[in-house]
Order: sequence, then structure tokens, then C-alpha cells
Amino acid sequence: HLQLQESGPEVVKPSETLSLTCNVSGGSINSYSYYWGWIRQPPGKGLEWIGTIWRSGTTYYNPSLKSRVSMSVDTSKNQFSLRLNSVTATDTAIYYCARRDTSWFDPWGQGILVTVSP
Amino acid sequence: QSGLTQPASVSGSPGQSITISCTGTSSDIGCYNSVSWYQHHPGKVPKVIIYAVNNRPSGVSNRFSGSKSDNTASLTISGLQAEDEADYYCSCFKGSTTFLFGTGTRVTAL
Repeated sequence: HLQLQESGPEVVKPSETLSLTCNVSGGSINSYSYYWGWIRQPPGKGLEWIGTIWRSGTTYYNPSLKSRVSMSVDTSKNQFSLRLNSVTATDTAIYYCARRDTSWFDPWGQGILVTVSP
Repeated sequence: QSGLTQPASVSGSPGQSITISCTGTSSDIGCYNSVSWYQHHPGKVPKVIIYAVNNRPSGVSNRFSGSKSDNTASLTISGLQAEDEADYYCSCFKGSTTFLFGTGTRVTAL
């Protein structure tokens, strides 16, 4: 039973870097079959895809965030990470990690609310 | 990025059928063989209920069905139940690299 769990600071100051990690359990992140992704939801708004990464480190990012986003994978720890730099209040959101299966995301982590605040 | 437009809200009486549309621009047409739908109860985790236009994951009620025509994908909920009250999002996987999510639809059982 695959499970994902996000972790990281829940408050980040404006202009600083948001860093989150997704720990994968019950399955290997080193699978050839799946990508791994990040999705976010600002308060009161809809879902926004941030990016996806494969076991090799190949990444695809949302064009609207590409200049500020980086993702990495650590197969030895069975986890992958997100970094978003130069954050502003508009980056306040629930951040979810998820497994990408062909063309959909399943399962998802519980999500972590990250607030950008001085 | 271009967007996927959904109605902000759809409502129906228990037992009725409702349909949620997901309409893209002409540049999104290539997405539509890879449409998925997610159910999101506030405070809970989004859950995929339809993938690849009209496929249901194991355990998802057969009251949920998906379809597409031209540049519009649709989710139909048959026999609406109170537990179906949630936000629903369409998504498409474009060019085998990028994802788009729809604007989201709040479903209410009257």
C-alpha cells in the first residue's frame, strides 16, 4: 500500500526559498513505471500542477513557475523534494506530493499548508 | 499556460444525474485523450475517479462516468448522493510532459 508524506517548514518568509520533501513508503521511488509530482492549492482556489520528476532526475515544470522551481530525487532515501525560490504571499498554499501513473496522479500525500509570512 | 474551464458550481437533487463540463482552448485539444477527473472533499486528499477519459479506478462507484467530444470533456454523476458533495477537477496531460488542471466545480446535492 503506497503512501506519501510531505514534510518541511510550514512558514517561509517572503523572498526566501520554500523547501519540501515527500517521503514514499510501501513502494520504491526507483520504479521505471512512475513519475513523481507536486501539486498545490492556494486557499480558496483550485489545483495547480507544479512539476514532475522521474527516478533519473528528469524533470518537467509548470511554465508559469519554471524560473523559480527545482525538484530532485533521492533514491537511497526513497524521497523526492521541491524547492521554490523567491516566494511571495501568492505561494501560500497546501502542497501535495503524488505519484504520476501514466496521465493521472494517484495516490496523493496528505498535503502540507505552507504560509508565506514575514 | 492555457486553461481548462469548468462551471463554478453544479447542483442537483438526490437521485438525479448531473454533468460537469471541462472545456479547453484550441491549443489544448491534444490533451483530451489523457483526461482525468478528481474528487476533492474540503480538508481531505484529492482522489482520482476517472482516468484516460472514461476509466474508473478500482473501488470507484460506477455512478461516475467520463466522456469527451471535440474540445470538451465531461464527468457525469448518476444517482446523485449527499456524499458526492465535493469539488471536482478535470486534468489533462499535454504532450506527455505537462499537466493542466481545470478551474474546479463545486457540486451540491439540494
